[in-house]
Amino acid sequence: DIVMTQSPLSLPVTPGEPASISCRSSQSLLHSNGYKYMHWYLQKPGQSPQLLIYLGSYRASGVPDRFSGSGSGTDFTLKISRVEAEDVGVYYCMQALQTFTFGQGTRLEIK
Amino acid sequence: EMQLVESGGGLVQPGRSLRLSCAVSGFTFDEYAMHWVRQGPGKGLEWVSSVSWNSGRIAYADSVRGRFTVSRDNANNSLHLQMNSLTVDDTALYYCAKDISGLPYYFDLWGQGTLVIVSS
Repeated sequence: DIVMTQSPLSLPVTPGEPASISCRSSQSLLHSNGYKYMHWYLQKPGQSPQLLIYLGSYRASGVPDRFSGSGSGTDFTLKISRVEAEDVGVYYCMQALQTFTFGQGTRLEIK
Repeated sequence: EMQLVESGGGLVQPGRSLRLSCAVSGFTFDEYAMHWVRQGPGKGLEWVSSVSWNSGRIAYADSVRGRFTVSRDNANNSLHLQMNSLTVDDTALYYCAKDISGLPYYFDLWGQGTLVIVSS
């Protein structure tokens, strides 16, 4: 099974400052079609998860451009260029190469 | 507007069964794979099961294989999860989620969830 490891697990950020979350997979998530089968979700307080980034680096519809995703086969990063209060919540990475596995989640809070 | 509405959760004793449902609207249900994902109290997300558009491809997490059965009724735009031999570890909020394609790929829409509590 593919294991997803996120860091940090808690991330206090001052509004307007950047933030970065790392996700490492135990196996390469690079599919033979050239796409990286890694996605990012945000679960805001009291809400269901919502898709942020798909296939490693593509922003989902309606996601602000302050969010960006990058990474290689096993190491991925979600970056927020300037954190806003509405970005509070738990961020999950998820691999979709072999069924689905989520990371533990990173809780972003405002300082 | 695309919508997923789960139902069927509740309090159940260990060893008993429960059937969850997910009613969908706002999109052509039979074109998309569907999934169940759960979240234990205060915990992270755990994928449970997936079913392709025509039920030709079905998968389960190791933790539920042999106890849970996913099914879909394309005529009635509904997804189901039959859960048997429930244990306290199955206590969670169960979400249904829509895929972006007919085969399992990734999830682009989630319902609000239905809560299952397994307790004596």
